[in-house]
Amino acid sequence: QSVLTQPPSVSAAPGQKVTISCSGSSSNIGNNYVSWYRQLPGTAPKLLIYDNDKRPSGIPDRFSGSKSGTSATLGITGLQTGDEADYYCGTWDSSLTAVVFGGGTKLTVL
Amino acid sequence: QVQLVESGGGVVHPGGSLRLSCTTSEFTFSIYGMHWLRQAPGKGLEWVAFVRYDSSAKYYTESVKGRFTISRDNSKNTMYLQMNTLRVEDTAVYYCAKSPSNWYFDVWGRGTLVTVSS
Repeated sequence: QSVLTQPPSVSAAPGQKVTISCSGSSSNIGNNYVSWYRQLPGTAPKLLIYDNDKRPSGIPDRFSGSKSGTSATLGITGLQTGDEADYYCGTWDSSLTAVVFGGGTKLTVL
Repeated sequence: QVQLVESGGGVVHPGGSLRLSCTTSEFTFSIYGMHWLRQAPGKGLEWVAFVRYDSSAKYYTESVKGRFTISRDNSKNTMYLQMNTLRVEDTAVYYCAKSPSNWYFDVWGRGTLVTVSS
């Protein structure tokens, strides 16, 4: 059971937009920055979004992040088959004094 | 190019020990916090431990407290994870990751597999 809650799977057609939600509480998302990672099969995770809505150099603006209260959202526009991967949200939990993650969301581009 | 390379994984019996290393290059290792994370087969990401840039603070996930020890040697640009009293549930790919600030991970290694099995 993960501290942060993500939908197990989402799907959309190529070219469309998808959003992935990440729900937490005041001890984690509510008072700390959220980051998002993409993990292609058999590879290490890659940072997509940090500090709720910032993109690292090299990450296209098709990827966006937002946070409201105790929830965060990753948005991906212009879906490509290469976007099929597992996506994870993460943040610091002040009560647990630990980094916590969501259980991951598998994106399928139909 | 910033690089993190994990080593030291392998197969060990329950109750055994392993020491993982994370060798880094192409960045100023001594000014960054560093983390170990893991991913059990077919499961999600789990954070394991953190060490501050100067080793002044260390944090661990509850399940490894008292069994795992994170450390670093800034003169060797290397971080370590000493894992004792290993359990079957510690079986995972272990990643090291660099952390600029605010508890996120901007560079990851490729991981090293630890298998705890009798």
